[in-house]
Amino acid sequence: EAGVAQSPRYKIIEKRQSVAFWCNPISGHATLYWYQQILGQGPKLLIQFQNNGVVDDSQLPKDRFSAERLKGVDSTLKIQPAKLEDSAVYLCASSPYGQGAGYGYEQYFGPGTRLTVT
Amino acid sequence: SQQGEEDPQALSIQEGENATMNCSYKTSINNLQWYRQNSGRGLVHLILIRSNEREKHSGRLRVTLDTSKKSSSLLITASRAADTASYFCATVDSGNTPLVFGKGTRLSVIA
Repeated sequence: EAGVAQSPRYKIIEKRQSVAFWCNPISGHATLYWYQQILGQGPKLLIQFQNNGVVDDSQLPKDRFSAERLKGVDSTLKIQPAKLEDSAVYLCASSPYGQGAGYGYEQYFGPGTRLTVT
Repeated sequence: SQQGEEDPQALSIQEGENATMNCSYKTSINNLQWYRQNSGRGLVHLILIRSNEREKHSGRLRVTLDTSKKSSSLLITASRAADTASYFCATVDSGNTPLVFGKGTRLSVIA
């Protein structure tokens, strides 16, 4: 079974520029998550999708971050404009279970995109 | 939302020794999960323990949960150099809110 795919793996941009990350979850997984992991910390949930609907985006800085999941499969996360504090690894994860099953199951993570904002 | 706190922040042991790391949390949980993260394989789920369970095993891993003390421990027996990684606990609280990760324990296993 193929894992969660993410691209690009690395990105360096200047502050105020825009950037987009792409995620392809494991086939058939209903739920997709985007996390931000700052160096030395654990991942922090930014947004959760079930199929193509948003379940939780309470920690997404909506003035600069946006995300979509087209047709309930691939997803993109965009930052516009980027700030220095956005430097982090952005992780995508998926789970085969929908919200109705609760959060009582494991998540499968992609390799992440390391973003450096200069 | 609550956040688990791992202890110690860093741990260095010799190959073959056992490694124990702990996680404390603040509110009632639905379940607690342990993940491992290294540069080679990214973030990988290790084990999930539910609030009504006290102990689970998976290979060389043993996880315990004490809901009265709001704490969990992860024991890795007969450690190997390949176990070198950061280990995170993550909790789902009883309100069934999303997974919340702690800051992790950095384990170094020296060959």
